[in-house]
Amino acid sequence: QKEVEQNSGPLSVPEGAIASLNCTYSDRVSQSFFWYRQYSGKSPELIMSIYSNGDKEDGRFTAQLNKASQYVSLLIRDSQPSDSATYLCALNFGNEKLTFGTGTRLTIIP
Amino acid sequence: EPEVTQTPSHQVTQMGQEVILRCVPISNHLYFYWYRQILGQKVEFLVSFYNNEISEKSEIFDDQFSVERPDGSNFTLKIRSTKLEDSAMYFCASSGNRGTDTQYFGPGTRLTVL
Repeated sequence: QKEVEQNSGPLSVPEGAIASLNCTYSDRVSQSFFWYRQYSGKSPELIMSIYSNGDKEDGRFTAQLNKASQYVSLLIRDSQPSDSATYLCALNFGNEKLTFGTGTRLTIIP
Repeated sequence: EPEVTQTPSHQVTQMGQEVILRCVPISNHLYFYWYRQILGQKVEFLVSFYNNEISEKSEIFDDQFSVERPDGSNFTLKIRSTKLEDSAMYFCASSGNRGTDTQYFGPGTRLTVL
């Protein structure tokens, strides 16, 4: 069974600080890694994709992938209240579908 | 910016009734997906569709479910005889390439089965 694990939170971070979200996965076959943001009652919205080991930066967001240790993380710098949402880690295990984690609920405290 | 659209946004139905959920994927995308999310639970894959046929389906996607691309733009999910446990958000997604490529999600249809 291919699994994606996330700490469900809630994770509370002061405004302006760095939020760190982590995800581990069970299978080394994983090829593609995605972070989605989901506001309550809304659909997943893509934040970042990462395919290779190392860091990938996009604005205030940095995704980090370590395939040997089977984890992927998302850093949010200068956290804003609008960043308060559930962050979903999703992986493609080499087939057609995305396998999602349960998500980490992030709250940015003004 | 191109986006996936879904209709209706909310569907209420009686148990045992048939429902059809509609999606318009991003126009130049070739791969289409349905996912569902039961309230408070994770997003779950249902089915993927490419070249007018199902390419992969989950164990959730049993004989009560079917998908169709009736024309060049729409992609539908039909549930033949709804059950209470089918109540969920149903998301359509599309990608330009197979599952390793980014999948873009529509806004979802909230299905409530009474």
